[in-house]
Amino acid sequence: DVKVTQSSRYLVKRTGEKVFLECVQDMDHENMFWYRQDPGLGLRLIYFSYDVKMKEKGDIPEGYSVSREKKERFSLILESASTNQTSMYLCASSLGTGRVYQETQYFGPGTRLLVL
Amino acid sequence: AQKITQTQPGMFVQEKEAVTLDCTYDTSDQSYGLFWYKQPSSGEMIFLIYQGSYDEQNATEGRYSLNFQKARKSANLVISASQLGDSAMYFCAMTANYGQNFVFGPGTRLSVLP
Repeated sequence: DVKVTQSSRYLVKRTGEKVFLECVQDMDHENMFWYRQDPGLGLRLIYFSYDVKMKEKGDIPEGYSVSREKKERFSLILESASTNQTSMYLCASSLGTGRVYQETQYFGPGTRLLVL
Repeated sequence: AQKITQTQPGMFVQEKEAVTLDCTYDTSDQSYGLFWYKQPSSGEMIFLIYQGSYDEQNATEGRYSLNFQKARKSANLVISASQLGDSAMYFCAMTANYGQNFVFGPGTRLSVLP
C-alpha cells in the first residue's frame, strides 16, 4: 500500500513566522504535490515536483516555496505566514510513469494550519 | 483546460440503498483519466476508483462502480448497499495527457441515514 505521511495533523502559528510542512512517501514515487483545501474553493494546487530538486508552480504559488532534496520528501514552506494562509494542506504523490492520465494521486492525512 | 462539475452539494441516502453521485467533465484531450475520492471528516483523501478515457468497460471496485458515458462526458459514481461509514465528502477529479495536476470538482456531501 502507498503511504504518504505529513509531519503534523494540526499546527498553530503566528503571523510572520516561517512554517515548514513536511511530506514523506514510501513508494518511490517520482511526482509529489502540495494542495490547499478551503471551503467553497475545493482543492487548489500550490506546487508540484516531478523529480528531485525540480519544482513547478501550480495555480496558487504566491507566498509559498517548496523543497525536494530527496525523492521521498517534499516540503512546503510559508516564508512569512499570514492569516489568509489558514487552511487545510494536503500532500499527494503519484508514480510518474509518463502516462499522466493513468496515474492515481495518493494523499496524506492533511495538516490543518491556523495562523493567528 | 479541464473542468469538473458536481451539481449535487449534498445527498441523503438510506442505509443499504444504492446512491448515484453525479460528475460531468470537460476536456479537449483524447487521453484522460477520471477519479473519485472520498474525504471523511478526518480529512484524508481516499482513492476509490479510476476510469480511463479508453476503457470500454465501466470500472468497478467492490461496492463502487463508475457509470462512464463518454459522449455525455459524465462519470457518475454508484455506491451500492450504502453503509453509515460512507458518510463523507466525495470528489470527482480528472487529469489529462498534457497536465501533471488534477482538477477537482467542488464535491458532494453524502449522508447515510440509519
